[in-house]
Amino acid sequence: EAAVTQSPRSKVAVTGGKVTLSCHQTNNHDYMYWYRQDTGHGLRLIHYSYVADSTEKGDIPDGYKASRPSQENFSLILELASLSQTAVYFCASSDTGVPDYTFGSGTRLLVI
Amino acid sequence: QQKVQQSPESLSVPEGGMASLNCTSSDRNFQYFWWYRQHSGEGPKALMSIFSDGDKKEGRFTAHLNKASLHVSLHIRDSQPSDSALYFCAGGDSNYQLIWGSGTKLIIKP
Repeated sequence: EAAVTQSPRSKVAVTGGKVTLSCHQTNNHDYMYWYRQDTGHGLRLIHYSYVADSTEKGDIPDGYKASRPSQENFSLILELASLSQTAVYFCASSDTGVPDYTFGSGTRLLVI
Repeated sequence: QQKVQQSPESLSVPEGGMASLNCTSSDRNFQYFWWYRQHSGEGPKALMSIFSDGDKKEGRFTAHLNKASLHVSLHIRDSQPSDSALYFCAGGDSNYQLIWGSGTKLIIKP
């Protein structure tokens, strides 16, 4: 079954430290996305990619970098983690960019 | 102000009843809307999309869109305990970018 797998499922990070969240998809989809979810804000798009070795900024890219080394893998990097980046992060994929997304189960990040 | 506003924030419906969720947009660039459902501890899952005015039915779920008033709703008939979840409405433009509402928490009481 096609799937989006995120790792780790949860993480505690220290303020100012580097955090890397990983995402792997077996859907053979071209598009991949990183969203963050905060209570009361729904989901907000951080970065997305429609082809390997290329990434695009979403609505809230500040403080985040993304990397797409292959069609299957998409990482989100927090170079200097801050308290405000405590949230649940979701990776998703879609075919042709139509927003019929397949989401992963999320990574719960706590920055202390 | 959020471009997609959902109401109510929380809704409790008896098992077998009808659940009605609402979504209003302030952006006339939206060309379609999606409904997603998120169970606790999981990622959101797409339920259905609606592009045209009127009703679209998929099983127990019916979406209704009124483009003139930028209002979209989701109705769930014969609600089941497994329907208990957080429901998101999201508006989309020609670039396939979605703007998400903050969600409605639906509780189905056995």
